[in-house]
Order: sequence, then structure tokens, then C-alpha cells
Amino acid sequence: ILNVEQSPQSLHVQEGDSTNFTCSFPSSNFYALHWYRWETAKSPEALFVMTLNGDEKKKGRISATLNTKEGYSYLYIKGSQPEDSATYLCAFDPYGQNFVFGPGTRLSVLP
Amino acid sequence: EAGVTQFPSHSVIEKGQTVTLRCDPISGHDNLYWYRRVMGKEIKFLLHFVKESKQDESGMPNNRFLAERTGGTYSTLKVQPAELEDSGVYFCASSQVRYNEQFFGPGTRLTVL
Repeated sequence: ILNVEQSPQSLHVQEGDSTNFTCSFPSSNFYALHWYRWETAKSPEALFVMTLNGDEKKKGRISATLNTKEGYSYLYIKGSQPEDSATYLCAFDPYGQNFVFGPGTRLSVLP
Repeated sequence: EAGVTQFPSHSVIEKGQTVTLRCDPISGHDNLYWYRRVMGKEIKFLLHFVKESKQDESGMPNNRFLAERTGGTYSTLKVQPAELEDSGVYFCASSQVRYNEQFFGPGTRLTVL
């Protein structure tokens, strides 16, 4: 059974703070790593698809890095805004088959 | 372009009853996936359709769950009979390319009393 971990479980930051979360996955096999942003009662929104060791991707104030050799990915948010409040999910795909989701990091940005 | 839609958004049923969830994928997406998230735990894979064929149903918990995708368009997931532990949020996702970026629907929140 593949285990994908995310830390921290939850996070409260002040508006304007920068923050980062971690997604850890088994490093033995790797096909892709996906980051999603999810607000309750809405559709999880795809942020990044990362496929190569050393990948760095950016979308506005959000960026992500990938280290497949050591089995982790970081998601960074620069200058957090209240609208960034959501649960951030990573989904690990080791073989190009099924997604294995982590439990998510719940971010609350306080105005 | 319309996204993935799911119906109903909420369903409350009693133990032993039957419920059918529906998913309409993005038009042209051959790949359709069902997932569920129970009691605040991780989202877990249930099954994957390619057009109307079940490609992988290794995540289906037991034979009370039946998924269909007639004609390769929308899909239904039937739970019969429902048990308390089936409560959770059932997500559907679709993709154009197998196991590439998946687009998720908003989910159906199922409560079994």
C-alpha cells in the first residue's frame, strides 16, 4: 500500500505571509505528481502536473518544486491572500495508473 | 467549455436504501474516474473507465458498488444496499489523455443514516 504524506495537516497564516507545504511519497517508482487546490463543495482545481526530477513550476504567486530521488515536493505560496484559503492536495502517480492522494494541508489565511 | 458535473450535489438516505450518483465528464474526454473521500480521510481511487470499458476497478470496495458508463458518455455509480460506512464525498474526474491532468467535478456528498 503506497503512503503519501502531507505536512503540516493545517496551517494558519496572516495575510501577506509566505508559506510552504510538503508532500512526501515513495521514491522507488515515479510517473507524475499532481497538486490540487480544493475548496469544500467545489471541484478540486488542478494547479501543477510535475513529471521530472528538479521540476519547478509557477502560477502567479504559487510555485512548486519536485525531488523524485528523495520523494518530496514543495508547494510555495508567496504573499498569502484570504482567497488562498483552501485544502491543498497532492496526488502521486507511481506507474501512470492510479492517483494516490495525500490527506491534504488545510490553509487558512487570516485578513 | 463546461466542466465535469455531478448530480446530485447532496444525498441523504437510510441504511439499506439504494442511491445512484451521476457524472457527466467534459465532452470529448474518454477517460472517466471515480474517487471517494470518507470521514475526512484521503481521496481514494475507485475505478477508471476508458470510453465505456472498465479499465481498472481495483479500488471498488465491494460488490454493493456498481459503476456503468453506457455509450461512453456519462457514468453512474450505484450503491445498493447502502451502509453507514459509505458516507462521504464521491468525486468524478475526466481526462483527455489517460492518467494525465484530471479535471474534477464538485462531488456528491452522500450521507447514510
